[in-house]
Amino acid sequence: IAGITQAPTSQILAAGRRMTLRCTQDMRHNAMYWYRQDLGLGLRLIHYSNTAGTTGKGEVPDGYSVSRANTDDFPLTLASAVPSQTSVYFCASSEQGLGNEQFFGPGTRLTVL
Amino acid sequence: GQNIDQPTEMTATEGAIVQINCTYQTSGFNGLFWYQQHAGEAPTFLSYNVLDGLEEKGRFSSFLSRSKGYSYLLLKELQMKDSASYLCAVRDRENNNAGNMLTFGGGTRLMVKP
Repeated sequence: IAGITQAPTSQILAAGRRMTLRCTQDMRHNAMYWYRQDLGLGLRLIHYSNTAGTTGKGEVPDGYSVSRANTDDFPLTLASAVPSQTSVYFCASSEQGLGNEQFFGPGTRLTVL
Repeated sequence: GQNIDQPTEMTATEGAIVQINCTYQTSGFNGLFWYQQHAGEAPTFLSYNVLDGLEEKGRFSSFLSRSKGYSYLLLKELQMKDSASYLCAVRDRENNNAGNMLTFGGGTRLMVKP
């Protein structure tokens, strides 16, 4: 059982390019999340999904979009990357309900030049 | 909105005890989590508190006071492998359409020295 996986592990991207970060979980969790982590700012929520077919905006959604076509996959797309989107991106999933912790993927380190 | 504060860095000695504090302000508190994150790795779950009091789990304990908006993570018998960042995260009943959406503090980087 892999848990939650992300791809790519790292990427260097030219500004203005489109990029999709992939996230897949095999735990059948209903809820999934995308965070970015920047030094001194901690983890900030970009988008989330309660269940397949639904998505919502987090704290810093601008410049990002997500889709949730099925339970397992939750891709994050940068339509036109900018240098301020250089960050480490973590995908997470959890069961719905109080007290259920989020499980995190290994992260994607993205550099936008 | 929420405001979560933790010390940026702490240093402690192997074998000692360290307490990492977290204060928060939230309009509808609905649970607090602690995560451990080693450099270059993903955060991993340590503890969850929703009621006042102490939750003990081996060498790690977490305490919550809802009236004071305060939590701490206590690490006993420190080991070198405990050198990591410790993240405090709060779930807010309001603005939480996801039901389990968390707001994280900036994290506390703990360095354990021999």
